[in-house]
Amino acid sequence: DQQVKQNSPSLSVQEGRISILNCDYTNSMFDYFLWYKKYPAEGPTFLISISSIKDKNEDGRFTVFLNKSAKHLSLHIVPSQPGDSAVYFCAASANSGAGSYQLTFGKGTKLSVIP
Amino acid sequence: EPEVTQTPSHQVTQMGQEVILRCVPISNHLYFYWYRQILGQKVEFLVSFYNNEISEKSEIFDDQFSVERPDGSNFTLKIRSTKLEDSAMYFCASSSLPGQSYNEQFFGPGTRLTVL
Repeated sequence: DQQVKQNSPSLSVQEGRISILNCDYTNSMFDYFLWYKKYPAEGPTFLISISSIKDKNEDGRFTVFLNKSAKHLSLHIVPSQPGDSAVYFCAASANSGAGSYQLTFGKGTKLSVIP
Repeated sequence: EPEVTQTPSHQVTQMGQEVILRCVPISNHLYFYWYRQILGQKVEFLVSFYNNEISEKSEIFDDQFSVERPDGSNFTLKIRSTKLEDSAMYFCASSSLPGQSYNEQFFGPGTRLTVL
C-alpha cells in the first residue's frame, strides 16, 4: 500500500545546478508534508515542511512545492552542493483524530551531487 | 542544539529473547514515536505516545511490543520475544506540539536490531 510514492530511486546532479525531487501521494486525507534527509547510519533529519493550505514554502536553498489537485509535491534544491548528497524521504501526515500524527514515508530518492 | 538520543546503537539478540530499546526525546517535546526500517524498505510507523498513553499504533505493533516512559525522560520500546523478522533499524522521534502546523518530528540516530 504505497500511499506516498517516490518513483525515482536515484538522481545525479552537477554541483551548482538545481536538484528536483518528486513525490506523489494517494491519500487525500494527508494535509501536512515533510521532507527528510538521511545519511547512512544516521536518523532522518528534518529539512522542510508544507501545510496543505499552502502551495510553496521556501527555506534558504530548499523550496517545497505542493500541487494538491495532482497530489504531487516536489523539493527543489538550488544550488546543489556535494554535501547535499544523501537519501531524501518524502513524508505525509493526516489528522487521524486520535491525537497522533504518524508519518507515512516514501521509499526515498538517493541524490548524488557531482563536484 | 537539542537532539533525540538512542541506546544502544546496535543490539544483537537471539530469537525469542526480550529486548529493550531506549530513547531520550528532546526535553520539551510532548509526542513520542517509534518507527522502524527493515533493510531496503520504507520507514514504517509503529506507535505514538502522548500524555503517558499510546495515541495510535500500527498493525506491526502487536502484543509482542510495548512502550513506556518510565521516568519522565526516557522512552522505551520493548519486544518481548524477538523474531527474525524484527531485525531492522528502529528510530525514535519526538515532536513539540500536537497541532498539524508543528508536526516536525525529530528523529534519533536509530538502534540497529539484529535477531539471530
